[in-house]
Amino acid sequence: DQQVKQNSPSLSVQEGRISILNCDYTNSMFDYFLWYKKYPAEGPTFLISISSIKDKNEDGRFTVFLNKSAKHLSLHIVPSQPGDSAVYFCAAGYNNNDMRFGAGTRLTVKP
Amino acid sequence: GAGVSQSPRYKVAKRGQDVALRCDPISGHVSLFWYQQALGQGPEFLTYFQNEAQLDKSGLPSDRFFAERPEGSVSTLKIQRTQQEDSAVYLCASSLGGINEQFFGPGTRLTVL
Repeated sequence: DQQVKQNSPSLSVQEGRISILNCDYTNSMFDYFLWYKKYPAEGPTFLISISSIKDKNEDGRFTVFLNKSAKHLSLHIVPSQPGDSAVYFCAAGYNNNDMRFGAGTRLTVKP
Repeated sequence: GAGVSQSPRYKVAKRGQDVALRCDPISGHVSLFWYQQALGQGPEFLTYFQNEAQLDKSGLPSDRFFAERPEGSVSTLKIQRTQQEDSAVYLCASSLGGINEQFFGPGTRLTVL
């Protein structure tokens, strides 16, 4: 039962351009959403989050958008940098005690 | 230490062998989580502790998997009679609880031959 889906396994963008990573979820109980970034041989690192009472949260080059009616969220990175190349996981949960992760999207930012 | 640590980082086990994986959470973090990450997949929830209480173990795949956190700090995930399908990276995460992000350790890569 895959409650969080990242349908694009990979994404490649040019340095300086915008990266848009997408995530869909099925459980309407989810009220907290996060993006994690993962480098090889390391655990996921928290990037940005949004609660269900908001539709946008911005932190520097990273912005997360939440569309509750569509059960969809996205992560925008602008401008993209080569150091952003990593696997990005979308996660959703309620009370942060039962998080579900997507399968991840591998982002490659080309210099 | 400043972050979540896990040991060993790598473990190779023969099929049928028992293994124990250790997690040291961030000091003061109430909540502790274990995840299993298969190759090419996202982390899959296994179990969750609040202090020493195991509040959710619905993700444990079989009764061969057992987790404990007896003093509300360090946690151990034990897998008995390992099988090849247990091969994965086992991630531990801790948080302050409630609506707070989870901080992950580097994981233990388990390979069962």
